[in-house]
Amino acid sequence: DQQVKQNSPSLSVQEGRISILNCDYTNSMFDYFLWYKKYPAEGPTFLISISSIKDKNEDGRFTVFLNKSAKHLSLHIVPSQPGDSAVYFCAASAKVAGNQFYFGTGTSLTVIP
Amino acid sequence: GEEVAQTPKHLVRGEGQKAKLYCAPIKGHSYVFWYQQVLKNEFKFLISFQNENVFDETGMPKERFSAKCLPNSPCSLEIQATKLEDSAVYFCASKTVGTNTGELFFGEGSRLTVL
Repeated sequence: DQQVKQNSPSLSVQEGRISILNCDYTNSMFDYFLWYKKYPAEGPTFLISISSIKDKNEDGRFTVFLNKSAKHLSLHIVPSQPGDSAVYFCAASAKVAGNQFYFGTGTSLTVIP
Repeated sequence: GEEVAQTPKHLVRGEGQKAKLYCAPIKGHSYVFWYQQVLKNEFKFLISFQNENVFDETGMPKERFSAKCLPNSPCSLEIQATKLEDSAVYFCASKTVGTNTGELFFGEGSRLTVL
């Protein structure tokens, strides 16, 4: 039972434009969300996180938006760069569930120069 | 160390053989996690440790899989009598705090191929 879902397996964006990656979750107890970036043959690296008490968190070119009522979060990358081409995973955790993180299945982003 | 170190990077085993993977967490991180990544990029949680104690083992298969984190040694994940479906990349991750906040730091993974 997939509690965190990324319904778009892939996304292509022109360099300089905005990339929007989406993530949906089913567990209303989730209160902490993260985005990870993964290159082939490497481990995921942390990008940005957001607590459920916020609806937006920004770090440079990366902004995460959280819509709790819709159980939806998104990652915006502006402007997109070729080096952003990677697989992006969203993850979620719930205080009541200990410290286990639940991951989506990833979206492969290709930024076209 | 300053990064999560996993060994070996690649491991090939015949069906029925034993496989053992190792993970050295970042120095000072008390929590260690093991995840299994199979087809379609899905990360499946296996087990977590707080120092040498099992913290959450709800994802561990009841048979054939075991894990340990002993003092002054790398953590290990062992699969007895491997099966074809055990072929996956196994990621180890560590973090400093036991709450559900804070990020996980991942190693580069160990790719297990069972033939």
